Amino acid sequence: DIQMTQSPSSLSASVGDRVTITCRASQGITNYLAWYQQKPGKGPKLLIYAASTLESGVPSRFTGSGSGTDFTLTISSLQPEDFATYYCQKYNSSPFTFGPGTKVDFK
Amino acid sequence: QVQLQESGPGLVKPSETLSLTCTVSGTSISFYDWTWVRQPPGKGVEWIGNIYNSGSTKYNTSLMSRVTISVETYRNQFSLNLRSVTAADTAVYYCARVVDGFDIWGQGTMVTVSS
Repeated sequence: DIQMTQSPSSLSASVGDRVTITCRASQGITNYLAWYQQKPGKGPKLLIYAASTLESGVPSRFTGSGSGTDFTLTISSLQPEDFATYYCQKYNSSPFTFGPGTKVDFK
Repeated sequence: QVQLQESGPGLVKPSETLSLTCTVSGTSISFYDWTWVRQPPGKGVEWIGNIYNSGSTKYNTSLMSRVTISVETYRNQFSLNLRSVTAADTAVYYCARVVDGFDIWGQGTMVTVSS
């Protein structure tokens, strides 16, 4: 099975900071990569699919890039509501594995 | 708009079967594929399995021997059965729609496995 890794596992940032999270697949998955945001006590929310397509209603400060095995989620200017845990997920084929998550908290 | 709602017992005894239902509103269940996902307390997200609008299923190999996902089209519901549960199955269970990833999620339901 293809394994998904994320780095860093956590990061501390301030409002207004540019934040970058990396996701890596152990084998190529073309662009079948989704990013989710999860806040405490809530289910994951789809932010980006097809590696770089913004889900409807998601602010444009979120961007995704990459293909093959290496992917990036960037938040251009961190807002107070963006402090959360972020997961990547492969969905090219079963199993639809999630990465271990990156927690973004206040510096 | 499309909404999903999980329901089922919050407490299951070890060795018994965990049974959950996801009720879909705002669309016909026949139009899409659906999934179950779980998250143990303080841990990451684990995919359990999908059921496709063809009726076929795909399961996480780590759970395949114990899990069944089925659909009740006339009720616009799909279900999860997980047999022979242990404390390791304690988690929040989510249902979701499969569209370019998992685009719409239920609120989740906490299931504790304990005697």
